[in-house]
Amino acid sequence: AQSVSQHNHHVILSEAASLELGCNYSYGGTVNLFWYVQYPGQHLQLLLKYFSGDPLVKGIKGFEAEFIKSKFSFNLRKPSVQWSDTAEYFCAVNPYGNEKLTFGTGTRLTIIP
Amino acid sequence: GAGVSQTPSNKVTEKGKYVELRCDPISGHTALYWYRQSLGQGPEFLIYFQGTGAADDSGLPNDRFFAVRPEGSVSTLKIQRTERGDSAMYLCASSLSTQETQYFGPGTRLLVL
Repeated sequence: AQSVSQHNHHVILSEAASLELGCNYSYGGTVNLFWYVQYPGQHLQLLLKYFSGDPLVKGIKGFEAEFIKSKFSFNLRKPSVQWSDTAEYFCAVNPYGNEKLTFGTGTRLTIIP
Repeated sequence: GAGVSQTPSNKVTEKGKYVELRCDPISGHTALYWYRQSLGQGPEFLIYFQGTGAADDSGLPNDRFFAVRPEGSVSTLKIQRTERGDSAMYLCASSLSTQETQYFGPGTRLLVL
């Protein structure tokens, strides 16, 4: 069975700092990859996704992620964070042809104004 | 347009009681998913419907859990003889079809006393 690891449980940054959140998965085949975000008091929202093609994908609010197949990684990045990026971020994966999403445990991001 | 809706938003029940949780998917979405999220964890897959049929119920923890989607739209997750360990946030998601992005609802927070 596949698994997803998010090694950063809680990240605290100042506004304008650069962000990188790690995500590694264990599955040998073709996968679809996602980052979801949950802002305080709101439900899970899609930030970006990778199905195929260019391994560098751009999402909403200036976020991007790079799929590195050889490292089984899909790290999330943003060059300059804002206070409004304070949220919990979840990486998720499903093998191609399988509908079951497997999530990481999440990374809580706190941005200090 | 309306997103995925779930009712009730909160449910408090006593150990041993029966509960039903309802999910209204986005109109036109043929696939519907149930997940469970415990505190400090990412969502865990329970069951997935394509149309009216349960295509994958491998995530249901035991036979106290059951879900239906009789007309291919609204779904109900049913939990019999609830236990304190069933306390969690129950999330519903829908997607236009298979291998498409899953859109999540706000969840039902279940507390079993």
